[in-house]
Amino acid sequence: AQTVTQSQPEMSVQEAETVTLSCTYDTSENNYYLFWYKQPPSRQMILVIRQEAYKQQNATENRFSVNFQKAAKSFSLKISDSQLGDTAMYFCAFMKHGGLNNDMRFGAGTRLTVKP
Amino acid sequence: DTGVSQDPRHKITKRGQNVTFRCDPISEHNRLYWYRQTLGQGPEFLTYFQNEAQLEKSRLLSDRFSAERPKGSFSTLEIQRTEQGDSAMYLCASSFLWTGSPLGYTFGSGTRLTVV
Repeated sequence: AQTVTQSQPEMSVQEAETVTLSCTYDTSENNYYLFWYKQPPSRQMILVIRQEAYKQQNATENRFSVNFQKAAKSFSLKISDSQLGDTAMYFCAFMKHGGLNNDMRFGAGTRLTVKP
Repeated sequence: DTGVSQDPRHKITKRGQNVTFRCDPISEHNRLYWYRQTLGQGPEFLTYFQNEAQLEKSRLLSDRFSAERPKGSFSTLEIQRTEQGDSAMYLCASSFLWTGSPLGYTFGSGTRLTVV
């Protein structure tokens, strides 16, 4: 079974600064996908960024980028130029490639607070 | 299409009562997922459908839980004889499975269940 671990229950960052959220996962699969989702207070979850395990290049979406270390099974999220609207719960998620049982599995989340 | 819709947004019920939630996915999506999220935790997988077929059920899904997706469109999640431990946010998500890499899920806003 795949497990996803987010070791930082809470983090804070000053507006305009950079913050990195950690995620590690455990799997015996070789082909899989990793995701970061954002869940603002009382709002629905939205996809921030995704990474295919077969791609060595780290994914980037505007101010969001990942550091994917396949051998270490690590998938951290870097938020640059933090904005107040980035305040939310952030969930790391894993999904194996193909097959029937490839639903998404989530970590426990990191609560990020961006301070003015 | 305005995304994934869930109804109701909130439900308060007495212990022992039955409740039913509805999810309307994005119409082009052929996969539909149910997750349960308790406060401060990540979503836990319950079950998913590909079209009208229920392909996987979590061990979290006790005999009191049943899900259906007639005609491969909307889905319902029923909880019979509710218990206080069932209090949680129930999230629905949908995705389109194709031979390429997944685009991630689109989540609904959830149904918050409170069992008193």
